[in-house]
Amino acid sequence: KNEVEQSPQNLTAQEGEFITINCSYSVGISALHWLQQHPGGGIVSLFMLSSGKKKHGRLIATINIQEKHSSLHITASHPRDSAVYICAPRPPFLQGGSEKLVFGKGTKLTVNP
Amino acid sequence: DGGITQSPKYLFRKEGQNVTLSCEQNLNHDAMYWYRQDPGQGLRLIYYSQIVNDFQKGDIAEGYSVSREKKESFPLTVTSAQKNPTAFYLCASSISGRPNEKLFFGSGTQLSVL
Repeated sequence: KNEVEQSPQNLTAQEGEFITINCSYSVGISALHWLQQHPGGGIVSLFMLSSGKKKHGRLIATINIQEKHSSLHITASHPRDSAVYICAPRPPFLQGGSEKLVFGKGTKLTVNP
Repeated sequence: DGGITQSPKYLFRKEGQNVTLSCEQNLNHDAMYWYRQDPGQGLRLIYYSQIVNDFQKGDIAEGYSVSREKKESFPLTVTSAQKNPTAFYLCASSISGRPNEKLFFGSGTQLSVL
């Protein structure tokens, strides 16, 4: 059973649009990663956050630990943003490190010019 | 540039054959991980290692084996006991494996069965 739910599963946007991808999880967490998987398969870590908000360029990630929800926003989307975006919460109260990450199934984003 | 190198990009396995996927990193990271990705599924952990000469099973270790003889290398062998090996395999590393460290990923290997 996958305890991480991402929505939407697929998202198509026009260049310039504001994008929101959501991640909800059923158990408490200590932190959450947002990852970007390129069409070729390689994965890049975008953010790791445990509270509040982080911003990097046109990307903004927010998290609400109490509501068990995180969002990834892309402002002024561009075709090069087309990728699969994956959230990965880390459960708390467990010994160990990154091996405890639980990965969502991903949101496939396509940005058309 | 530092990073993780996986090879080959594509690999084909015959029935009954063992195949080995290579993962090399020059980031000086202690912790390394192997994940399997199936279409429409989240990444699942196969094996991980936090120090040379030591490794632990992940959630789906059956039919796989690893070694960690050098800090920079963490090869994964898909054995003939793995009956459904077709998948995309990703190697990753982090500084020490402690909580909340950033993960660095390779570009992956697509394994298919002939």
